[in-house]
Amino acid sequence: AQKITQTQPGMFVQEKEAVTLDCTYDTSDQSYGLFWYKQPSSGEMIFLIYQGSYDEQNATEGRYSLNFQKARKSANLVISASQLGDSAMYFCAMRVARDMRFGAGTRLTVKP
Amino acid sequence: ETGVTQTPRHLVMGMTNKKSLKCEQHLGHNAMYWYKQSAKKPLELMFVYNFKEQTENNSVPSRFSPECPNSSHLFLHLHTLQPEDSALYLCASSQGRPSSYNSPLHFGNGTRLTVT
Repeated sequence: AQKITQTQPGMFVQEKEAVTLDCTYDTSDQSYGLFWYKQPSSGEMIFLIYQGSYDEQNATEGRYSLNFQKARKSANLVISASQLGDSAMYFCAMRVARDMRFGAGTRLTVKP
Repeated sequence: ETGVTQTPRHLVMGMTNKKSLKCEQHLGHNAMYWYKQSAKKPLELMFVYNFKEQTENNSVPSRFSPECPNSSHLFLHLHTLQPEDSALYLCASSQGRPSSYNSPLHFGNGTRLTVT
């Protein structure tokens, strides 16, 4: 069975600084995808970044990068130059075939 | 048209009511999902449909009844719900082939359900 763990219920970061949100996963499948989503208070789930299990390079999308360490089964999200609008819940997810499972989430608060 | 549209955005219903949530996707995807998001709990996968066939029912009580008439539309029929069923219900779609593990789910804005 797939399992996703986010150990940080809440994180604070100063505006313009970088922050790392932790995610570890467990699966016996060789082919899987790792995703990060952002959920503002309005409720919609916004896809941020994807990393495939066979990808050797870390994924980057603008200010988001994914620090993928396959041997450690970790897929941490790094947000650079934090902005006030980055305050939200962040969910790590893993997809095996059609099944996508989510972690418990981390609430990020950006302080001015 | 936005990618995944859910209606209504908010719903208040009594425990004896019958209501339905609707989801429509315009992305050409063939898999659709229902998730439940309760306060202080991870997103719970409820149902998965692939090409109109239900491929997963994650031990959901029978008072929740899904319907997928085609690959663009998904419904969740609700009847005799309990107050603990109050939550945000999220619909999503994606490419549904087993090899599509690299395809993200695209979510709707959700229906916030309150059961009184």
